[in-house]
Amino acid sequence: AQKITQTQPGMFVQEKEAVTLDCTYDTSDQSYGLFWYKQPSSGEMIFLIYQGSYDEQNATEGRYSLNFQKARKSANLVISASQLGDSAMYFCAMREAYNQGGKLIFGQGTELSVKP
Amino acid sequence: GAGVSQSPRYKVAKRGQDVALRCDPISGHVSLFWYQQALGQGPEFLTYFQNEAQLDKSGLPSDRFFAERPEGSVSTLKIQRTQQEDSAVYLCASSLDRQGAYEQYFGPGTRLTVT
Repeated sequence: AQKITQTQPGMFVQEKEAVTLDCTYDTSDQSYGLFWYKQPSSGEMIFLIYQGSYDEQNATEGRYSLNFQKARKSANLVISASQLGDSAMYFCAMREAYNQGGKLIFGQGTELSVKP
Repeated sequence: GAGVSQSPRYKVAKRGQDVALRCDPISGHVSLFWYQQALGQGPEFLTYFQNEAQLDKSGLPSDRFFAERPEGSVSTLKIQRTQQEDSAVYLCASSLDRQGAYEQYFGPGTRLTVT
């Protein structure tokens, strides 16, 4: 069963506008973590933002925020004021069960293109 | 400080050859992970080390894949008798703790092409 689902293979956004990248997850664990990573064409995975399953507030990091809806099992990434440098692949990932070392389960990714 | 480094960045191997991919994690990081990323896909977990101990190798696709981290720092992923389906980017990541409470920092990856 797919644990992380990203339903948008590709997204376009105009520069300076906001964009939401969707992510839904499936787990029976009560304790888990959700991550978003950015992967530019250079290939390196860049950590953006983290949300713990017990966190009551939505995580924010600069222009990135995570819209966490636990009951719906969704963890959408919102990027405000898009910049040309935001063009990249974006991956949602989940970490289950902290005592297993924290291996990540990734979604298929969304390719974001920012238009000037 | 230095991030996670991997070498080589690119490797072309003929089918049947053995390859060795190296990962230098961030100094002091206890946990080390290897992931495989096929073209157009998200990374998939291969194996996990806590210091020198390989605690999870459930993601290794076959017994041709072998990983080690003998002194608890540098790790090597070895693939024996490479096949075309092994062509992928191999990502290494390290994390500060053993409980998975901190984010994983990724290296630039090694792109393996098997011809």
